[in-house]
Amino acid sequence: DAMVIQNPRYQVTQFGKPVTLSCSQTLNHNVMYWYQQKSSQAPKLLFHYYDKDFNNEADTPDNFQSRRPNTSFCFLDIRSPGLGDAAMYLCATSRDNERLSNQPQHFGDGTRLSIL
Amino acid sequence: AQKVTQAQTEISVVEKEDVTLDCVYETRDTTYYLFWYKQPPSGELVFLIRRNSFDEQNEISGRYSWNFQKSTSSFNFTITASQVVDSAVYFCALSPGANDYKLSFGAGTTVTVRA
Repeated sequence: DAMVIQNPRYQVTQFGKPVTLSCSQTLNHNVMYWYQQKSSQAPKLLFHYYDKDFNNEADTPDNFQSRRPNTSFCFLDIRSPGLGDAAMYLCATSRDNERLSNQPQHFGDGTRLSIL
Repeated sequence: AQKVTQAQTEISVVEKEDVTLDCVYETRDTTYYLFWYKQPPSGELVFLIRRNSFDEQNEISGRYSWNFQKSTSSFNFTITASQVVDSAVYFCALSPGANDYKLSFGAGTTVTVRA
């Protein structure tokens, strides 16, 4: 089945130790998103790639960065995780062009990040 | 700016009861898209429905139905004859018009269906 795959499902890291979360997709969608979802809150968009173009949300901390080496993969890098970065991180994809606009986003299962 | 309000934080029902989740939105765009997503305890967000602002027809899909009322800026969601598997957090979301596809989520409504 075509899908959005996030690895790992659970990630534990130490305070200040860089961590990378990964996302891959077999949907061949041109847009990929990273969301942060803290407990009992709605997902909050961190950034997204429209094809190769990176779009950062204004309130996303500099500590968070992303890479998209090809259509299928996207990575979330947290340079120096703090306790406040403990959350579920959701990757999503969508197909967007002039003919197909505002299509539903397809989400992965998420990576739950814990900070020790 | 877009804003989505889900007034109900939590709803608890007994199996087979109907449950309606309210969603009210604000936008200045004339073209926009509304969505509902389900997030079960396992964590993944599951797409349920997408509706554009020009299509006010109500929709039914099995036990799910949606009532879009542009006049009141509402897009309510009803689960008929609820089941335990419907227990989840449900998010209403808004995407502005064409060329701006980012989602603004409501705070979510936690639905608990008791056997």
